[in-house]
Amino acid sequence: EVQLVESGGGLVQPGGSLRLSCEASGFTLINHWMHWVRQAPGKGLVWVSFINNDGSRTIYADSVKGRFTLSRDNAKNMVYLQMDSLRAEDTAVYYCVRDDKLSFDVWGQGTMVSVSS
Amino acid sequence: QSALTQPPSASGSPGQSVTISCTGTSSDVGAYNYVSWYQHHPGKAPKLMIYEVSKRPSGVPDRFSGSKSGNTASLTVSGLQAEDEADYYCNSYAGSNNFPYVFGTGTKVTVL
Repeated sequence: EVQLVESGGGLVQPGGSLRLSCEASGFTLINHWMHWVRQAPGKGLVWVSFINNDGSRTIYADSVKGRFTLSRDNAKNMVYLQMDSLRAEDTAVYYCVRDDKLSFDVWGQGTMVSVSS
Repeated sequence: QSALTQPPSASGSPGQSVTISCTGTSSDVGAYNYVSWYQHHPGKAPKLMIYEVSKRPSGVPDRFSGSKSGNTASLTVSGLQAEDEADYYCNSYAGSNNFPYVFGTGTKVTVL
């Protein structure tokens, strides 16, 4: 079964850091670009970040640029989102998402990140 | 990059059809045939319903169809069923190195 499982969410103080992990199974990770998408409470889906097949290229939304770092380890079937200098507005459910034909065809269940003092 | 514009809500009775619009610009929806649609039941993972404007992934009922004209894409759900009640989001590839993907604002579909 094709699956993405996120972990690493939790409660963190403003200015703090978290590292989200995404474990892929049921498919060959290196064959796909990967993304993170987030949804703040009561709000819509927002694209956050992209990484290409071998991790040599990443792109970030302006709202997280310079604070978030996306990486991947294809040998371990893992994708990571390092989130630093967290702000209250980063509070959201974060989804790890697989890209296929420039659409998001497989989604994880999401992990909640809460930034609050 | 601004979000694509969707109506906040849409509704229909069981068996009826509902169409959701998704308006972008000549830099995203109008420029590429990479519009996709997602169904999202709260608390669950979003699900891909349409990709490349009008193609359905395996397992998605043919009651769901997509189209595009100019800068506006549309999702039509025919023969509404209770389980179709959900939030729906469009997404378009925007081709920009700075912000390559943009979602719509979301539409809550209610089955009356």
